Amino acid sequence: DQQVKQNSPSLSVQEGRISILNCDYTNSMFDYFLWYKKYPAEGPTFLISISSIKDKNEDGRFTVFLNKSAKHLSLHIVPSQPGDSAVYFCAALSMDSSYKLIFGSGTRLLVRP
Amino acid sequence: DAGVTQSPTHLIKTRGQHVTLRCSPISGHKSVSWYQQVLGQGPQFIFQYYEKEERGRGNFPDRFSARQFPNYSSELNVNALLLGDSALYLCASSSLRSSYEQYFGPGTRLTVT
Repeated sequence: DQQVKQNSPSLSVQEGRISILNCDYTNSMFDYFLWYKKYPAEGPTFLISISSIKDKNEDGRFTVFLNKSAKHLSLHIVPSQPGDSAVYFCAALSMDSSYKLIFGSGTRLLVRP
Repeated sequence: DAGVTQSPTHLIKTRGQHVTLRCSPISGHKSVSWYQQVLGQGPQFIFQYYEKEERGRGNFPDRFSARQFPNYSSELNVNALLLGDSALYLCASSSLRSSYEQYFGPGTRLTVT
């Protein structure tokens, strides 16, 4: 039972263009959603989060959009840079469930120079 | 400020053996969580500790145990290792103020032969 799904295993984008990574979830009780970036041989790096009471959060080149009615969120990276090439994980958390993060399976982003 | 640290970085064990993995949280963080990541999947929640008390446990067998010490560092123990326990074991810490934002260490790569 996958509560958090990332249906695109990979994405390739030209440098300077927008990267859009998508995530779907099934549990309407999630309170927060987070995006992490992971390079090989490193732990996940926290990028940006959004509360379930908001529909948008922005931090520099990164913006996360939340559509609760569709149970869908997306991460926009503008402009994309070659250093953004990594695996991106979407994660969700319910604060009445021991604060455990439930992760999607990840999307590998390649930004081509 | 140092991030989350984990030791060892790599470990090779034989089936049936026991392993102890260690984690030191970010200074000031009192909560530590453990996750297991197998190739091609997102991290899966194992345990969370806050103020030395277990706050949550994932769907892992009793061979997995953990504890948190007075200095908030933590150990993850796995007994009777199986080949399927081969994975990257990640530790994450979070503060009381932003308990939903978890910051990960580099992980311990465990190989069971």
